[in-house]
Amino acid sequence: AQSVAQPEDQVNVAEGNPLTVKCTYSVSGNPYLFWYVQYPNRGLQFLLKYITGDNLVKGSYGFEAEFNKSQTSFHLKKPSALVSDSALYFCAVNTGFQKLVFGTGTRLLVSP
Amino acid sequence: EPEVTQTPSHQVTQMGQEVILRCVPISNHLYFYWYRQILGQKVEFLVSFYNNEISEKSEIFDDQFSVERPDGSNFTLKIRSTKLEDSAMYFCASTGGAGRVGGYTFGSGTRLTVV
Repeated sequence: AQSVAQPEDQVNVAEGNPLTVKCTYSVSGNPYLFWYVQYPNRGLQFLLKYITGDNLVKGSYGFEAEFNKSQTSFHLKKPSALVSDSALYFCAVNTGFQKLVFGTGTRLLVSP
Repeated sequence: EPEVTQTPSHQVTQMGQEVILRCVPISNHLYFYWYRQILGQKVEFLVSFYNNEISEKSEIFDDQFSVERPDGSNFTLKIRSTKLEDSAMYFCASTGGAGRVGGYTFGSGTRLTVV
């Protein structure tokens, strides 16, 4: 079965430092990978997606993610974290007939 | 930017009652979905809908659940007889083409509390 894993429940980083939120996937065939962010009491906001092409994908709010086929990973990164980046981040993979399969989420806490 | 709209934002209902959650997907989208998220947990797929019929559903989507697109704009999720464990945030999503390519737009969610 297709799945994504987010091994860290929480990531803590100081403002201004680079951040990485990890995601690994398991699919049969080519993966289509997504990152979403959820702020408290809000819906899911799309950040970026990898479909094909360049392994480094740039998205909203200065985030980027690198698709690594050999490591089956799609880690989310940002060069300089902001306090306002503190939120819940979900990695997801498209599988079967259209549906998204989500990871368990990683809470990012950026301290001033 | 086009949005997926969900109403109500919060709903409290008594166990055993029927609830209908409403969604207005983006107007030119063709594929519609419901997901749910139990508080602070994983986002789980419930059902996908295309061409006026269910295209896929999860194990969670049992006989208590149904979906409908009663007109050209609304997409509803009905829970016939709510249970305490149905308490969750319910998200509607839509996509214009194959989700792999187009990506998905999610609504802000309906928080359902069953008491």
